[in-house]
Amino acid sequence: KAGVTQTPRYLIKTRGQQVTLSCSPISGHRSVSWYQQTPGQGLQFLFEYFSETQRNKGNFPGRFSGRQFSNSRSEMNVSTLELGDSALYLCASSRDSIGDTQYFGPGTRLTVL
Amino acid sequence: QKEVEQDPGPLSVPEGAIVSLNCTYSNSAFQYFMWYRQYSRKGPELLMYTYSSGNKEDGRFTAQVDKSSKYISLFIRDSQPSDSATYLCAMSVGVTDKLIFGTGTRLQVFP
Repeated sequence: KAGVTQTPRYLIKTRGQQVTLSCSPISGHRSVSWYQQTPGQGLQFLFEYFSETQRNKGNFPGRFSGRQFSNSRSEMNVSTLELGDSALYLCASSRDSIGDTQYFGPGTRLTVL
Repeated sequence: QKEVEQDPGPLSVPEGAIVSLNCTYSNSAFQYFMWYRQYSRKGPELLMYTYSSGNKEDGRFTAQVDKSSKYISLFIRDSQPSDSATYLCAMSVGVTDKLIFGTGTRLQVFP
């Protein structure tokens, strides 16, 4: 069974730009969650999508948005990038709920210059 | 104050030692408790999953939850160099609620 894949793996952007990250969950998984990981704050929950609907949301500004497609693939968008957005962005999928076993992808390392 | 507190370490132990990793939390509504292991340049992987209070054992790993003290622990017996990683605790109120993670403890097991 293929694992969670994330593209791209590395990304360099400049302040003010926008970026879109992609996540393909494990086949059959309907819940996709996104996290931001930084050395100081650790893993912080961004949002969770289930059956194309946002089901849970963390405490991030509106510049962070996401969506899920009918095949459960998900994208995350960050607009008007700031230096502080530099982080590892992790996607995790689970079968039906965020409380099921979550399988994480390798992450996308975003650097904002 | 963060909802979940975890000592960042690093924790350095010799091979074969018993390792104790801990987290404290402030939200008494948390019911689901997890431990994840994250190797460098990889995403976290689930190690242990516990509902409510009590102990759970899986091979060399034992998870303990003490809800009265708002304290959870992960014990690793006979630690191996391959256990060197960052260990993250995570918890949630309900099975469909978001996970709140600790910042992680970096563990180094030397031969």
